[in-house]
Formats: sequence, structure tokens, C-alpha cells
Amino acid sequence: DAKTTQPNSMESNEEEPVHLPCNHSTISGTDYIHWYRQLPSQGPEYVIHGLTSNVNNRMASLAIAEDRKSSTLILHRATLRDAAVYYCILRYGNKLVFGAGTILRVKS
Amino acid sequence: DTGVSQNPRHKITKRGQNVTFRCDPISEHNRLYWYRQTLGQGPEFLTYFQNEAQLEKSRLLSDRFSAERPKGSFSTLEIQRTEQGDSAMYLCASSLGSGIPNEQFFGPGTRLTVL
Repeated sequence: DAKTTQPNSMESNEEEPVHLPCNHSTISGTDYIHWYRQLPSQGPEYVIHGLTSNVNNRMASLAIAEDRKSSTLILHRATLRDAAVYYCILRYGNKLVFGAGTILRVKS
Repeated sequence: DTGVSQNPRHKITKRGQNVTFRCDPISEHNRLYWYRQTLGQGPEFLTYFQNEAQLEKSRLLSDRFSAERPKGSFSTLEIQRTEQGDSAMYLCASSLGSGIPNEQFFGPGTRLTVL
């Protein structure tokens, strides 16, 4: 399984943008990059995905490097409800292969 | 609520006992997944079903573990002769079809504690 590397934790102030990095240097040409997040005491939830181009949805933006060896999840205005573990995942067949993720703390 | 539901939410058992968990996916979803999550780690894939067929099993799924989805709707995960190392959160997810993104919708999990 292709591997992703994320910082263990990050901290942000409320109402400020957050950039969550992910390295995936062994990504193959057909691997999609997925982001899920897990709020405390809940199951993971889908955030966004992309292949080559940058992507936006109502939750976040995904910026993908031109060589696809790294990507960044962008939360435009962090709120206290965004405090969660964020997982960067390279889709492998039908299963999601999670790493340890990044714990995002949001300060008010 | 039309999300994925799991029962029970918590289970405490003694080592050596058998336990069974149930997952009810979102009704129109034909794919169902089981994951296991230990403290401080991301979820680990265990197995998945398309309709009633179990199409993939992880090497993590020892012979003490069995999963079924008899009518292609709800699923059960049974652990026989539980061990303390089985203590974890067991997560179920469902999805519709197999295309990208094949977004998986997760339930709240069943937390198992083996004493």
C-alpha cells in the first residue's frame, strides 16, 4: 500500500485558515488522494478527494502538487467544530488505508 | 436518522467469551465495510461485502473473526474466544457502488473492552 506522511498534530486559531500537509512520494499515477476526518467519539467522515487538479467543496479545498508527491488540505476558516483527526489517504482498491493522521486543535 | 447505525455502542466482556456486533448500513448502499481502530491509531480495514458476497478479508481477520451479510442488508461481526488484544473500536461503513470517490459513510462504532 502506498504510504502517506502527516504531522502528528497542528494548532490553529479560530476563524483563521489552516493548511494540513500530506506527503505521498510513492503515489502511483492512478491513486486518488482522499481526506477524511474523525471528530471525537465519532466515525470518520469524508472531506474531499482529488487526482491531479486542485479541488474545492463546501468543507475544504485540496491543493495537489504538480508532481503529486504531496498535497495540502485547506480549511479556509477554522471553527471549534473542525477540531478532529484529519487523515490523508491514498485509495487502494475498495478499502481505505488510514495512517495515524494529524490531530488538529483549534483555539478560541 | 438515515445514517449507518451500529449496535451495541459499548460491549464489555470477559476473555474467552464470544461477542457479536451488528451494523445497519444506509439502505440503498450495496457495499459494507468493517474496520478496527485502536487508541491513537487510524482505522484498519478488516473486510468488505458487496451485497451479500464477502469480497475481501484482511490478514488481520483471524479465524476467530467472522462476518456475514446474509441478505445484503445488515451485517454482523462475531469474535469468538475473545482476547484482550481484541479490545478496540469496531467501525462499520457503507458506500454506494464502486466509482470514485466511493465515499464511505461510517457509523459511530462499537467499543469492545475485553477484561
